Amino acid sequence: GENVEQHPSTLSVQEGDSAVIKCTYSDSASNYFPWYKQELGKRPQLIIDIRSNVGEKKDQRIAVTLNKTAKHFSLHITETQPEDSAVYFCAASPAGAGSYQLTFGKGTKLSVIP
Amino acid sequence: DAGVIQSPRHEVTEMGQEVTLRCKPISGHNSLFWYRQTMMRGLELLIYFNNNVPIDDSGMPEDRFSAKMPNASFSTLKIQPSEPRDSAVYFCASSPTSGNTIYFGEGSWLTVV
Repeated sequence: GENVEQHPSTLSVQEGDSAVIKCTYSDSASNYFPWYKQELGKRPQLIIDIRSNVGEKKDQRIAVTLNKTAKHFSLHITETQPEDSAVYFCAASPAGAGSYQLTFGKGTKLSVIP
Repeated sequence: DAGVIQSPRHEVTEMGQEVTLRCKPISGHNSLFWYRQTMMRGLELLIYFNNNVPIDDSGMPEDRFSAKMPNASFSTLKIQPSEPRDSAVYFCASSPTSGNTIYFGEGSWLTVV
């Protein structure tokens, strides 16, 4: 089955700096890569996702890049703000009949220091 | 839409007791998921329903766990008997179709003492 590795497990940045979180996956059949943000005591919420037919996607201060050859994808947050502090999870799922099988990374706890 | 609704939000129970967690998916969504979240193991898929039918229950830890979806708007996850190692946050999630964005409920925080 799919294995998703996420790094780093914790990340501290100064407000206004950029943050980058990286994930690798093992199953070359995976073609859907969402990122979820989970604030303390809350539910995971989708912030951005990318499919394998594109290499980069951007939404305001967040962007995701995908390298299918190397089987890794990254989340980039620019101009970080204190409200960006949360745990971020990457995930991967294959196409077809197994597309429901979303495998999550272990999460990155991001702390933005004012 | 109110989103995915779960109950109870918090439950503390004694070892050996039966626990029933409830979920109402988003109206019109035909895929429903139960996940368990712990510090050690992260987010794990327990079971997946499509059109009320269990498709994949390979993540259910053992026979003490069971899940049902009697109709499109209701699902339950039952643990009988409960054990301290079952303490976790249990999330229900739904999706319009498999392979698309899944929407999580607020979770049920279970503590078994």
